[in-house]
Amino acid sequence: DAGVIQSPRHEVTEMGQEVTLRCKPISGHNSLFWYRQTMMRGLELLIYFNNNVPIDDSGMPEDRFSAKMPNASFSTLKIQPSEPRDSAVYFCASSSLEGGTQYFGPGTRLLVL
Amino acid sequence: AQTVTQSQPEMSVQEAETVTLSCTYDTSENNYYLFWYKQPPSRQMILVIRQEAYKQQNATENRFSVNFQKAAKSFSLKISDSQLGDTAMYFCAFKLSRPDNAGNMLTFGGGTRLMVKP
Repeated sequence: DAGVIQSPRHEVTEMGQEVTLRCKPISGHNSLFWYRQTMMRGLELLIYFNNNVPIDDSGMPEDRFSAKMPNASFSTLKIQPSEPRDSAVYFCASSSLEGGTQYFGPGTRLLVL
Repeated sequence: AQTVTQSQPEMSVQEAETVTLSCTYDTSENNYYLFWYKQPPSRQMILVIRQEAYKQQNATENRFSVNFQKAAKSFSLKISDSQLGDTAMYFCAFKLSRPDNAGNMLTFGGGTRLMVKP
């Protein structure tokens, strides 16, 4: 099993640019989660999907953030326009609906200059 | 809403010794899961151990074991025979167990930074 796959692993961009983060969950998992980790706020849930449907997006900071899951094997998190305060590590995680345990990808380290 | 508290921001232990990391949580629910995740300098979040609230027996995984006290809402992690590779941030996390999948997200504590010294 390849585990959760995220790309890119590192992203450096300039303020105002669009950033797209990608995630491929573990095959057979039908829940997918996007988290953000910063020194100031720790680990925060941004949004999660069950069976490709967004269930709770209350953690999405503002309208600049959007997430999609067009199919069971792919999700994107988009920031447009990006700002320096968006600099963080963004994690994707997946789990089965029944199992409870969430498995994390390696994260994307985003730096917005 | 659920909360998770880790009261020890930093800890250190000598190699081969035993260390215990504390975690308390608050919930009005009866069915849930508790987890410990390890985050080494690589930033990867690695599952260490998991406990179902309905199980009275404490979970163990090799050198890692938990002391789960449901009434006290306490979930501590014991690392025996500490190794240099155990140096990492450790996060305690809570997740509800519901058949309708509501509340499926993890709630994390603030983390404990563990340093294993040679």
